[in-house]
Amino acid sequence: KAGVTQTPRYLIKTRGQQVTLSCSPISGHRSVSWYQQTPGQGLQFLFEYFSETQRNKGNFPGRFSGRQFSNSRSEMNVSTLELGDSALYLCASSLEGTSGNTIYFGEGSWLTVV
Amino acid sequence: EDQVTQSPEALRLQEGESSSLNCSYTVSGLRGLFWYRQDPGKGPEFLFTLYSAGEEKEKERLKATLTKKESFLHITAPKPEDSATYLCAVPDGSSNTGKLIFGQGTTLQVKP
Repeated sequence: KAGVTQTPRYLIKTRGQQVTLSCSPISGHRSVSWYQQTPGQGLQFLFEYFSETQRNKGNFPGRFSGRQFSNSRSEMNVSTLELGDSALYLCASSLEGTSGNTIYFGEGSWLTVV
Repeated sequence: EDQVTQSPEALRLQEGESSSLNCSYTVSGLRGLFWYRQDPGKGPEFLFTLYSAGEEKEKERLKATLTKKESFLHITAPKPEDSATYLCAVPDGSSNTGKLIFGQGTTLQVKP
């Protein structure tokens, strides 16, 4: 079956712009989580959505936001981009979350802010 | 506070030289421990989930074990294609959601 699909794979933005990243989870999965990965901080949890509701949020500023649609597809948005937002943004999906479920990751979206 | 620590940060092995990677964790109520493999420029690839102390799982040259405080990923007779970063993670203990807490990873290089 198809895995977690993230688009776009690579993008370059200018400081101050905004960006929207998209994630299509595995069919049937209702939980979608987003992570930021940088060399210095590793994988940091951004937020998780389940059935269109945000269930959990990490310690990131309000410039980072997300949403989930009725078909479980999810988007995350970063406004007023800063140089430090350059990172690999990963989407993960599972049936219902972490309890007893396998969590699968997409290939990620590489964001470079210049 | 939930925490995951992996050691060593980097490991260089000769092909065929077996070794182990360590993942120590502190979490309120363990609901599983996940191992992933990540190749450069790609997303983490799921390897194993362990749920209780004493549990073991194997896949090709990899074997994961779990105790009450740590997990080991044993690599037997590694090959160059096993070179990657290995990540372990635990579910956030304070919420039953999709939040994983990751260690910093162990970068393994296997030389032919």
